[in-house]
Amino acid sequence: GAVVSQHPSRVICKSGTSVKIECRSLDFQATTMFWYRQFPKQSLMLMATSNEGSKATYEQGVEKDKFLINHASLTLSTLTVTSAHPEDSSFYICSARDGRDEFFGPGTRLTVL
Amino acid sequence: RKEVEQDPGPFNVPEGATVAFNCTYSNSASQSFFWYRQDCRKEPKLLMSVYSSGNEDGRFTAQLNRASQYISLLIRDSKLSDSATYLCVVNGNNFNKFYFGSGTKLNVKP
Repeated sequence: GAVVSQHPSRVICKSGTSVKIECRSLDFQATTMFWYRQFPKQSLMLMATSNEGSKATYEQGVEKDKFLINHASLTLSTLTVTSAHPEDSSFYICSARDGRDEFFGPGTRLTVL
Repeated sequence: RKEVEQDPGPFNVPEGATVAFNCTYSNSASQSFFWYRQDCRKEPKLLMSVYSSGNEDGRFTAQLNRASQYISLLIRDSKLSDSATYLCVVNGNNFNKFYFGSGTKLNVKP
């Protein structure tokens, strides 16, 4: 099946810093990618839909100025967590859609100290 | 009301048992339904799509009940390797968006 990669897989940062997470579709082009967040023992929550060449669409309650999304090419979307705080510590997962199938990246575990 | 609701479990079953999970969804307009499997600290992986007529893949059977707005997953002859969290996924009003249930944890014991 299609492959989606994420980088980094794990990041630990100090409070107040910004962290960029990359999501790449390796063998297909994805006009739409999705960013999810998963807190411990909870399900994936859709944060935003990343559209190539246009602004991302954010879910209710997700601050667009805090979670900056850039989908500059058909194979790359980036999520930047700006001024990260400990409550932003979570598992961030991207997905890319290829037709009807959705493929997930391996996730990035963010820990903010 | 949540878009998708699941019993969190855990379901603790012996090897070889048959186990079933249900998942209810709130949007009657939903058209796409899936079961995903997620192992601890890993990304979710598609287990199977759920079709209106029901579908079977080896030991796994998925069914859709539109009238009652729920989908089910049946696992026969459980293996130790089936231990995981099973996520129910349903699309929303915007068919491009999918909503995940909180997952049902399955522990298969020897």
